Parts: sequence; structure tokens; C-alpha cells
Amino acid sequence: DVVLTQTPPTLSATIGQSVSISCRSSQSLLDSDGDTYLNWLLQRPGQSPQLLIYSVSNLESGVPNRFSGSGSETDFTLKISGVEAEDLGVYYCMQATHAPDTFGAGTKLELK
Amino acid sequence: QIQLVQSGPELKKPGESLKISCKASGYTFTDYAMQWVKQAPGKGLQYMGWINTQTGKPTYADDFKERFVFSLETSASTAYLQINNLKNEDTATYFCARSGVPDFDYWGQGVMVTVSS
Repeated sequence: DVVLTQTPPTLSATIGQSVSISCRSSQSLLDSDGDTYLNWLLQRPGQSPQLLIYSVSNLESGVPNRFSGSGSETDFTLKISGVEAEDLGVYYCMQATHAPDTFGAGTKLELK
Repeated sequence: QIQLVQSGPELKKPGESLKISCKASGYTFTDYAMQWVKQAPGKGLQYMGWINTQTGKPTYADDFKERFVFSLETSASTAYLQINNLKNEDTATYFCARSGVPDFDYWGQGVMVTVSS
């Protein structure tokens, strides 16, 4: 199975600060159809996960544009440009290129 | 609006079975597969597998091939997760999520399952 390694495991930020989370894959996530099925999700405390970004860099409908995703092959990054209080929670990367789908261990974003 | 509404919390004893439901609304149920995800207390997300809502064919991740069963009641737009011979390590919250375009675009609220003697 594909292993996704997220760093850092915990991130402390002040409101308005820009932060980045890294997700590294044990193998290339470029699919034979040309797409790269790497998504980012946020799970706020006590809530279900929600999709933020799909296929590396596409913002899901309704997600603020302070979130952005980048990367290719095995190295991916989620950036939050100006953290807001509602952004606190655990961020997961996940891949759906290689069966079975797998999730990273998560990065907890907390207030400094 | 699109919703996935799951059944309520469960408290079971080891060796018992349970069946969790995930009722979809706001879209055509058979247009999208349904995924299942496990989250143990204080832990991350673990992929369990998915079910093709057109054919009913389930696909299980390796850790979930033995005691776990995905099923459907298409007429009720509902997907089910059954867990047989419950073990303490099955204590977790179980989520259903639509395999839309993109994948995992809508999630249920989760069902907390506690297995304890």
C-alpha cells in the first residue's frame, strides 16, 4: 500500500500567519490517465472530515481561496495563506491513485 | 442539498454483530459509489473500502476482509456496514463518504461504536 508521510505532525500558528503542510508519498501518485489523485481534507474537532482540495490543486466548491495545494509525483504541499480561527483542526492528505486509498497520519493545526 | 445521514451510536459486547446505515439524499444514489472509513479514538483515518452502488459489488481493504460486510438497499438510497464477531479493537467512529467527482466530496456525520464487555 502507498504510505503518505505528513510533516509536521503538529503546527502552531497565530491568526493571520501563513503555514504549509507537507505530504510525501512512497510512490508516484501520477495515474496512467494523467491525473494525480492527491486530496487534502480538514477534520475540525468533533466533526466529520471535509474535502478541501482534490487532484493536488483544485479547490473544492465553497472552500476559501486562502487554501492552496501544489506538488507532483511524490511531494505535495498544502498552504494556508492567513490562518483563521475556523481553520483549526487536523489536516489529512489522502491518495486514490493506487488501490487501496490511503491517508496520511494527519497534521494538527493549533493556535499558538 | 446532498446529505449522508448515518444511524445512531452503538454499544455492543465482544462477539456480537451490528449494522450501521448511511442514508443518502439530494442526488441519485446509484450514480456514485460509497466509501467507508474508520477512525479509532484519538487516531487518524483508515480506509475500509467501497461499494459499487450500481452492481452492489463491495471491495474491501486488506484489514477489513474478514468480518466486515458492505451492502445496499437501493430502493431506500441506503448503504450499510455490518461488522460481525465484534472485537474491542472495533471501537471507533465509522464514516460513510460519497465517491463523487471528486472522491470523498460528502461525508456522513459518523457512527460511534463502542465494544465493551
